[in-house]
Amino acid sequence: GAGVSQSPRYKVAKRGQDVALRCDPISGHVSLFWYQQALGQGPEFLTYFQNEAQLDKSGLPSDRFFAERPEGSVSTLKIQRTQQEDSAVYLCASSLAGGRDTQYFGPGTRLTVL
Amino acid sequence: DQQVKQNSPSLSVQEGRISILNCDYTNSMFDYFLWYKKYPAEGPTFLISISSIKDKNEDGRFTVFLNKSAKHLSLHIVPSQPGDSAVYFCAADLQGAQKLVFGQGTRLTINP
Repeated sequence: GAGVSQSPRYKVAKRGQDVALRCDPISGHVSLFWYQQALGQGPEFLTYFQNEAQLDKSGLPSDRFFAERPEGSVSTLKIQRTQQEDSAVYLCASSLAGGRDTQYFGPGTRLTVL
Repeated sequence: DQQVKQNSPSLSVQEGRISILNCDYTNSMFDYFLWYKKYPAEGPTFLISISSIKDKNEDGRFTVFLNKSAKHLSLHIVPSQPGDSAVYFCAADLQGAQKLVFGQGTRLTINP
């Protein structure tokens, strides 16, 4: 079956622009996660959904970052007024039911803010 | 502060030999550990995991060892194959908190 997909794969934004990154999880997966991976670093947790409920957003770096999953399937990560330090790969992962279930990652969206 | 550390940015191993990747952590509350493998332009893929109640878990060519007193885990790959060339991330989970904490990664290169 299809894995986690993300779009766009690459996004270039001018500083101050708003961007929206999309994640399509594996069908039937209840849990969805967003991570940010800076160059040369490991992924860092941003936020977590169980169905449509955002249960943890402790990793969002500022109030410019907003994530939603209104119907418990597709999720969008929105970054308002982008800054250069937002340049990173944004990874989405999904798992069947959370807990210790394996998190399956998408290929990521590489965001470059000029 | 970095709670999960992989101190070797890169490792080069001869094909057929053993690859040993190391990871240290600082938070004694971590109770579940994982290794992920990442190829360029792809997302990380799960390799193997271990619960803190065990000290070893084996899956084919991959074995993970956990030393809780030293807050150290390692991944052994034997025999190493060219397809194992990738970046390896160690990650830890905090009592089912649902958010993995990753190390910085180690780039493994298997030479023919």
